[in-house]
Amino acid sequence: GQNIDQPTEMTATEGAIVQINCTYQTSGFNGLFWYQQHAGEAPTFLSYNVLDGLEEKGRFSSFLSRSKGYSYLLLKELQMKDSASYLCAVRDSNYQLIWGAGTKLIIKP
Amino acid sequence: ETGVTQTPRHLVMGMTNKKSLKCEQHLGHNAMYWYKQSAKKPLELMFVYNFKEQTENNSVPSRFSPECPNSSHLFLHLHTLQPEDSALYLCASSQDDSGGSYEQYFGPGTRLTVT
Repeated sequence: GQNIDQPTEMTATEGAIVQINCTYQTSGFNGLFWYQQHAGEAPTFLSYNVLDGLEEKGRFSSFLSRSKGYSYLLLKELQMKDSASYLCAVRDSNYQLIWGAGTKLIIKP
Repeated sequence: ETGVTQTPRHLVMGMTNKKSLKCEQHLGHNAMYWYKQSAKKPLELMFVYNFKEQTENNSVPSRFSPECPNSSHLFLHLHTLQPEDSALYLCASSQDDSGGSYEQYFGPGTRLTVT
């Protein structure tokens, strides 16, 4: 079967750096997405990786290793507003998104 | 505001009721999706429409019936639901469903409670 694994919950301190990992086992691979979802709100797109390496977007970066079935989302200079769930999703060989259960990130002052 | 709206935002219905969820996107996209989101579980894809044609139905029970009259509107008709159907129902849209880097834009969801 297809599977996306991410930690259920993480805690970090304001101003620090946090890395959220995602491992996947899917039938084929056509890209990996990270989304942010604040409580009670819609998921919003953060990043897309299809080739190995690091993609940087301001305070957020996303890394992909296709050979290892692994990605991470790196958040720098954490702010209280970064408290949210972070969803990892992989597009499989049928171009459908397979979603992880999300990582709830708690930021403490 | 993501350009995708959903109504109602909250819905409580009995198991014998019939109701409909509505989704509208103002982004000029060609693909629309219905997802079910339950607490601590991955998003479950229910239906996909691409250019108004249904391209995916992930073994969803027949008590859920989608309708896509045009590329901007998507409905989910509900009847004789079960308590385990209580969840957040999210609508999303994207340029199309053929791949590439096209991300999906989500609506705020309808929180459904079946009593």
